[in-house]
Amino acid sequence: KAGVTQTPRYLIKTRGQQVTLSCSPISGHRSVSWYQQTPGQGLQFLFEYFSETQRNKGNFPGRFSGRQFSNSRSEMNVSTLELGDSALYLCASSRGTSGYNEQFFGPGTRLTVL
Amino acid sequence: AQKVTQAQTEISVVEKEDVTLDCVYETRDTTYYLFWYKQPPSGELVFLIRRNSFDEQNEISGRYSWNFQKSTSSFNFTITASQVVDSAVYFCALLLIQGAQKLVFGQGTRLTINP
Repeated sequence: KAGVTQTPRYLIKTRGQQVTLSCSPISGHRSVSWYQQTPGQGLQFLFEYFSETQRNKGNFPGRFSGRQFSNSRSEMNVSTLELGDSALYLCASSRGTSGYNEQFFGPGTRLTVL
Repeated sequence: AQKVTQAQTEISVVEKEDVTLDCVYETRDTTYYLFWYKQPPSGELVFLIRRNSFDEQNEISGRYSWNFQKSTSSFNFTITASQVVDSAVYFCALLLIQGAQKLVFGQGTRLTINP
């Protein structure tokens, strides 16, 4: 069974640009969660999508957005990039049903904003 | 509010020493899960263990062991006879079942095992 894949693995952008990151969950998983990891703030929850709907959202500005497609693949977008957006972005997939759901993490996309 | 605290930012030991990573959590929920993840330099989070709030039994897996104590809201992780390959950043995390199913992570402990 293939794991969670994230593309691209590395990305370099400049301030003011926008970026789109992609996450393909494990087959059969309907929930995709995104996390941002920075040296200063650690690992923080961005948002979760389930069946094409945003189900939960963390405390991030509106420049951070996402969506999920009918095949459960998810994208997150960051507009008007700032230096502080440089981070490792991790996505996790799970079945998303009620009760406990194991979350499986992808390898991450490392974004550098210059 | 939910919170996970890993008081040790960095730990450095010599190979073969035992080392314990501390984790203290806060939640008002009665049903939750606790996790430990390992993050090597490649960045991927590697799942190590999951514990639910109703199971306080300690667990041992090879050189790894975990001590869960609800009375002190702690979930500590011990590596016995550490090896250089254990060098990584280790995260403790809390997952609530009710409401938003999001992981709340501690700040991580960078463990360096010196040969």
